[in-house]
Amino acid sequence: DAKTTQPPSMDCAEGRAANLPCNHSTISGNEYVYWYRQIHSQGPQYIIHGLKNNETNEMASLIITEDRKSSTLILPHATLRDTAVYYCIVRGLGQAGTALIFGKGTTLSVSS
Amino acid sequence: DAGVTQSPTHLIKTRGQQVTLRCSPKSGHDTVSWYQQALGQGPQFIFQYYEEEERQRGNFPDRFSGHQFPNYSSELNVNALLLGDSALYLCASSLEYSSQETQYFGPGTRLLVL
Repeated sequence: DAKTTQPPSMDCAEGRAANLPCNHSTISGNEYVYWYRQIHSQGPQYIIHGLKNNETNEMASLIITEDRKSSTLILPHATLRDTAVYYCIVRGLGQAGTALIFGKGTTLSVSS
Repeated sequence: DAGVTQSPTHLIKTRGQQVTLRCSPKSGHDTVSWYQQALGQGPQFIFQYYEEEERQRGNFPDRFSGHQFPNYSSELNVNALLLGDSALYLCASSLEYSSQETQYFGPGTRLLVL
């Protein structure tokens, strides 16, 4: 079973920031938080991952709480092309052989 | 573009037939994982190949088998197809011993079993 809990759906206006929450209260000290998204009928796209520090790349920012029990993915200026299912996944460090366990994710709908 | 390629893009088979799906990993990657995604569900892990051997397997029957070649490409074989095998089949590649072994996905092969 997935180790994360996400809201099933969220809406966001184009141009506004989209903040997608994820709860991972049972996360272990050596587990990373990964975010992927899947646009309809395409393969999942890697977005970002982090261990305990906040992370930012060209796609998004990842904010992890100090106790690491939850995190938020931030898309700073959402566009229509950001409409997708977003998956938050917890995965162990140094475990290349471990599978990604996907939950149901959050369906983000961006509208104009 | 994650650099992972899969073929074919779409496939139609009938019950009882066998199917082979192919995956070429991102350049420089040596590990290939396969996932099945039924309509409306998240991807489910089938198995992973590293150094031409199956390293980890999910909860899938023996009808699902695979292979990894010396060039790191991989095949997924499904025998005795059932209607329930209709799904999007995803391949993901990663690099063993990289810093966090991020998996990158291909576009998938959509299989329809009639």
